Amino acid sequence: GAGVSQSPSNKVTEKGKDVELRCDPISGHTALYWYRQSLGQGLEFLIYFQGNSAPDKSGLPSDRFSAERTGGSVSTLTIQRTQQEDSAVYLCASSLNRALGWETQYFGPGTRLLVL
Amino acid sequence: QKEVEQNSGPLSVPEGAIASLNCTYSDRGSQSFFWYRQYSGKSPELIMFIYSNGDKEDGRFTAQLNKASQYVSLLIRDSQPSDSATYLCAVIPYNNNDMRFGAGTRLTVKP
Repeated sequence: GAGVSQSPSNKVTEKGKDVELRCDPISGHTALYWYRQSLGQGLEFLIYFQGNSAPDKSGLPSDRFSAERTGGSVSTLTIQRTQQEDSAVYLCASSLNRALGWETQYFGPGTRLLVL
Repeated sequence: QKEVEQNSGPLSVPEGAIASLNCTYSDRGSQSFFWYRQYSGKSPELIMFIYSNGDKEDGRFTAQLNKASQYVSLLIRDSQPSDSATYLCAVIPYNNNDMRFGAGTRLTVKP
């Protein structure tokens, strides 16, 4: 079946603009995760959803970042008033559920965001 | 101190040799440990996970865990040029709410 898909694959924006990143998880996966990978860095965990619920938003870097998931499927990560330090690859992953989650986690191809 | 630490490398080994990748973590309550491989420009893919002290083998890969020393390693036997990638160590902390990654070790296997 299809894997995790993300769009756009690349996004170039100007400082101060808002951007919206989309993730479509593997069918049947109820848990969804967002990560950020800056150049030469490891992955930084941002937020996870179990169904439509995100119990812990403390991993989001600032209040300019928000995420939502509706219908237990597609999720969007929104960055408002983008800054140059937001430039990174944003990776989405999904897993069967949180209880079985981590070893069934599959990553999407990522969205490469460049803020000029 | 970073929560998950890895030598950034690059680590270079000849084809056919054993590559040894190391990782230490700071949360003593961590229970689950993962190794991901990431090719340049690609997303991470899971290679191994380990929960219990000792060794876990899967083909050419062996994960080793020592919770007392807060140390986890990955051995790659009979290294191949196709193993050249960045290897990411990831740890689930005690609260099980997130996955914490090291910065990765870049491995180059020379023919």
